[in-house]
Amino acid sequence: QSALTQPPSASGSPGQSVTISCTGTSRDVGNYDFVSWYQQHPGKAPKLMIYEVTKRPSGVPYRFSGSKSGNTASLTVSGLQADDEADYYCTSYAGNNNVLFGGGTKLTVL
Amino acid sequence: EEQLLESGGDLVLPGGSLRLSCAASGFTFSNYAMGWVRQAPGKGLNWVSTLSGSGGNIYYADSVKGRFTISRDNSKNTLFLQLNSLRAEDTAIYYCAKDISDTALVFDCWGQGTLVTVSS
Repeated sequence: QSALTQPPSASGSPGQSVTISCTGTSRDVGNYDFVSWYQQHPGKAPKLMIYEVTKRPSGVPYRFSGSKSGNTASLTVSGLQADDEADYYCTSYAGNNNVLFGGGTKLTVL
Repeated sequence: EEQLLESGGDLVLPGGSLRLSCAASGFTFSNYAMGWVRQAPGKGLNWVSTLSGSGGNIYYADSVKGRFTISRDNSKNTLFLQLNSLRAEDTAIYYCAKDISDTALVFDCWGQGTLVTVSS
């Protein structure tokens, strides 16, 4: 199975909103509400930001939100802050006890 | 505080073997599935394997099936990954990660990773 498709880069100015897309197929993103998003700063371990499309773990700011339409999931970061600059990865359950990752999106805060 | 600490990464020859360990603390280890995710240098994340809390359910990515073996010792709060028949493309940082429940395949706590380098 192929990885999920994410744009390699995204950017926004402080205070703005930015949306990162994650495109899969009807066998993964489109078939299950089990999309997650991870944030990874350089040299650091990933951090869970969103799971089950829209749920935020305790401690994740409300500025981070998730959504899904058809085979495409999205992560929106509102009120951009300097510390939001990081790589973001989406994942989706793909059936048969398998999970796919996206290729990652580098978010730059201008 | 939930913590995971990996060890065992090393430089190994193609075709060689290695055993990674992950020591867990700060949560009831046996209540949660645990997994391994790897990241090749400068590349993205890829799921490798997950093992349920009881050890009864085991899942592998196709790329490692038949070569890697995941296991756990709940009495010692430790997760393992045995890597056999290693290839250059297995070179990566291997992260140990805690599932949010039992085999949700969503990871809410990660270790800092251990580097495996496969090279002659």
